[in-house]
Amino acid sequence: QQQVKQSPQSLIVQKGGISIINCAYENTAFDYFPWYQQFPGKGPALLIAIRPDVSEKKEGRFTISFNKSAKQFSLHIMDSQPGDSATYFCAASMIGNYGQNFVFGPGTRLSVLP
Amino acid sequence: DARVTQTPRDKVTEMGQEVTMRCQPILGHNTVFWYRQTMMQGLELLAYFRNRAPLDDSGMPKDRFSAEMPDATLATLKIQPSEPRDSAVYFCASGPGLAGGHEQFFGPGTRLTVL
Repeated sequence: QQQVKQSPQSLIVQKGGISIINCAYENTAFDYFPWYQQFPGKGPALLIAIRPDVSEKKEGRFTISFNKSAKQFSLHIMDSQPGDSATYFCAASMIGNYGQNFVFGPGTRLSVLP
Repeated sequence: DARVTQTPRDKVTEMGQEVTMRCQPILGHNTVFWYRQTMMQGLELLAYFRNRAPLDDSGMPKDRFSAEMPDATLATLKIQPSEPRDSAVYFCASGPGLAGGHEQFFGPGTRLTVL
């Protein structure tokens, strides 16, 4: 019940295309859903996050779509660029238990071809 | 430029040796996390501190791993004795806690290789 499932494991997209990464969770107590971006040799960095009271959040080319009833959320990267090539992790947590029960998905390795 | 620092960045050691990894959280952050990252298991939470007190270390093998915060500017993760299966990248992250938001700021990691 604490797992977060993520797909696909890897993704290859042409420059200018749309990258879509999907995540699913089981624990309905989760109320904070961040996405982290990790470049080789670096630590993960927060990209964008959403709370379940909204269905979509957009920041620049990055959009999170959230479906509370289906317990699914996804990251959309519009106009994907080679500089977006990285590993992306979705995660889930509970605001009230900051830090505890913080669960990461297994990651998606994105390659954007020039 | 506030950031989490970790030392060493790379560590190669032989099985059975003691390994100590250090982390300096961002000044003012009251929560510290230790993660382990491997290709097989992904990111695993090992331990979590709030105001220097360990709140959750259930992800950590207790027989060989220990985590401490001797003061607010230093967190340590120790492995004794180390084993080849401990080879991984170990990340420290800090956060401002409930009052300051929910984000975790990760350090650059320590790449540990146990031969």
